[in-house]
Amino acid sequence: DIQMTRSPSSLSASVGDRVTITCRASQSIGNYLNWYQQKPGKAPKLLIHSASTLQSGVPSRFSGSGSGTDFTLTISSLQPEDFASYCCQQSYSTPYTFGQGTKLEIK
Amino acid sequence: QVQLQESGPGLVKPSGTLSLTCTVSGYSIRSGYYWGWIRQPPGKGLEWIGSIYHSGSTYSSPSLKSRVTMSVDTSKNHFSLKVTSVTAADTAVYYCARSVPILGGRAFDIWGQGTMVTVSS
Repeated sequence: DIQMTRSPSSLSASVGDRVTITCRASQSIGNYLNWYQQKPGKAPKLLIHSASTLQSGVPSRFSGSGSGTDFTLTISSLQPEDFASYCCQQSYSTPYTFGQGTKLEIK
Repeated sequence: QVQLQESGPGLVKPSGTLSLTCTVSGYSIRSGYYWGWIRQPPGKGLEWIGSIYHSGSTYSSPSLKSRVTMSVDTSKNHFSLKVTSVTAADTAVYYCARSVPILGGRAFDIWGQGTMVTVSS
């Protein structure tokens, strides 16, 4: 199975900050990488697919980059509704695997 | 708009069978796409269980494959999951989701709200 490792595990930031979350795959996965946002008690929401393509309806402050094994999710200017957990998922091969979430908290 | 809703018992006894159904509204399953099951143990990350096509074709995680059965009923526009021989390790929130082809592989673009299943006597 392809292991997905995220960092950091948690992050404190303020409204307006720029934050970056990283995800590393245990082997090259091309651009077969998706990012999800999850709020407490809610289902995940697809933010970015194919490493850098913004899902329809997702604000442009979210962006993704990377290929191969190293990927990043960037939020350019944090808004109050962005405080949540973020995780990555590879769809290069089955079993599809998710990284543990990065919890983004208010400083 | 497309919506998914999981249903099934919230409590299952150890060694029993977990059975869940995901009802799709706003989209006909027979029109296409794969439909998946993902679970999340309390305080832990997401785990893909498996996916099923409207034709009934399935693929699932090797770690669960021997215990998992998935089926689809296009007449009722729903798909189902069964997990046999459950233990406490199967306690989780279970989600169903639509799996769509994208530029790079597949993504789960629409999710149900999730249903908590507890394995306990």
